This record gives sequence, structure tokens and C-alpha cells, in this order.
Amino acid sequence: DTGVSQNPRHKITKRGQNVTFRCDPISEHNRLYWYRQTLGQGPEFLTYFQNEAQLEKSRLLSDRFSAERPKGSFSTLEIQRTEQGDSAMYLCASSPWLSGELFFGEGSRLTVL
Amino acid sequence: AQSVSQHNHHVILSEAASLELGCNYSYGGTVNLFWYVQYPGQHLQLLLKYFSGDPLVKGIKGFEAEFIKSKFSFNLRKPSVQWSDTAEYFCAVLGSYNTDKLIFGTGTRLQVFP
Repeated sequence: DTGVSQNPRHKITKRGQNVTFRCDPISEHNRLYWYRQTLGQGPEFLTYFQNEAQLEKSRLLSDRFSAERPKGSFSTLEIQRTEQGDSAMYLCASSPWLSGELFFGEGSRLTVL
Repeated sequence: AQSVSQHNHHVILSEAASLELGCNYSYGGTVNLFWYVQYPGQHLQLLLKYFSGDPLVKGIKGFEAEFIKSKFSFNLRKPSVQWSDTAEYFCAVLGSYNTDKLIFGTGTRLQVFP
């Protein structure tokens, strides 16, 4: 399968712990996006990269969230000191430059107890 | 700031009924518009998109959408739905010159009964 891959698919953690999600985009895509989705809502933009450069970060994103894309390939999204409100599906998507069409992975579901 | 409104949160239809899902956006400039679909247990995938040209856009599985600039709308339609169309549908807009992020609506859950 050459689509967008996300790991882990499901993470259960206790409040206060750190979690990290990984996204492997489609290899020829140089844009990579992170979104968050909660029940009954549409995907909410978090951040995006063009190659290794982080071009935009949502103002709604607290300092506990950080994302990286070293070498412009895979990306990681880390959440420090998790809170129950962080429970959500974290979606990764990749896109060829300027196409506007996002190809989504299946998501990583976070449950914070 | 850009935003997208989907007023139909939950739609229930019988097979062969016609479908129209509303989508309105708020942005006065040039926009690119999308409809994404999420089938149960699957990832989001593109249904159709509008960049420019003919305002009536045809997508996969018999879906189409019409861009009406004066109404800031991009409604999704299908003349005859099937049980397999049961899914969640999201409208999205890409509409600013200095950003390339898609802004999504809250989605419409469609249930089609045989």
C-alpha cells in the first residue's frame, strides 16, 4: 500500500504522559498536514509542512504540541503532558505541492484517561 | 477568517431518493472547494473538487456539486442514492493566497436505508 501511513493507530495513555504519533506520507508528496478530529466535528487544522519547513501552525495549538518533519520525509506529532481534552483522532495528510488535494491516512486515535 | 458551514448535520434517505447537501463558505476572494467523504471505518477521501471553470463539477460515484459564487455555496448532489453512499460528507475550502490549509465544515452524516 503506497498511501499515507500513521502509527500507532490507537494510543491509550494516562493524563500527564507524553505521546508521539508518526506519519509516513506518500513518497513524492512534499506537503504534509496534521489535523485533529473529535466526534461530530470536521477535521481541525493543526499544522503543515512543505518539505522540512513548518509553514503554519494553528493558533489554537498549545505549546504542549510540537511537530517535526526532519529531512522532509516522515513527520512526528508529540503531545506533552496530555490532558483529557486531547482525546481525539489525529489525522495526517499529504499533498503534492499546490494541488490542494489532500490524501489522508487512517488516523491515530488518542484516548487520555 | 475563512469558515465553512454545513447546515445538514444528519440526513436519512431511502435508496433511490435524491440527495442535496448544503455547504456555504465565508471568503470573498478566489476559492478552491472540495467535498470529502468518509465511509464507515475508512479514511477521508476526495469526492470532487472545484478550482475554476465550469461551476458544475462531477465527481466519483455519480456525485456532482455546483459552485454558486453569488451565494457562496457549493452544494453536493446525487440524483439517486444507494445504500453504499452511507457515510460522512465534509465540505472544505482553500481560499487564501498566503496559506494552503483546507478548512473543513462540521460534516453531514448520511444514512441510506434499503
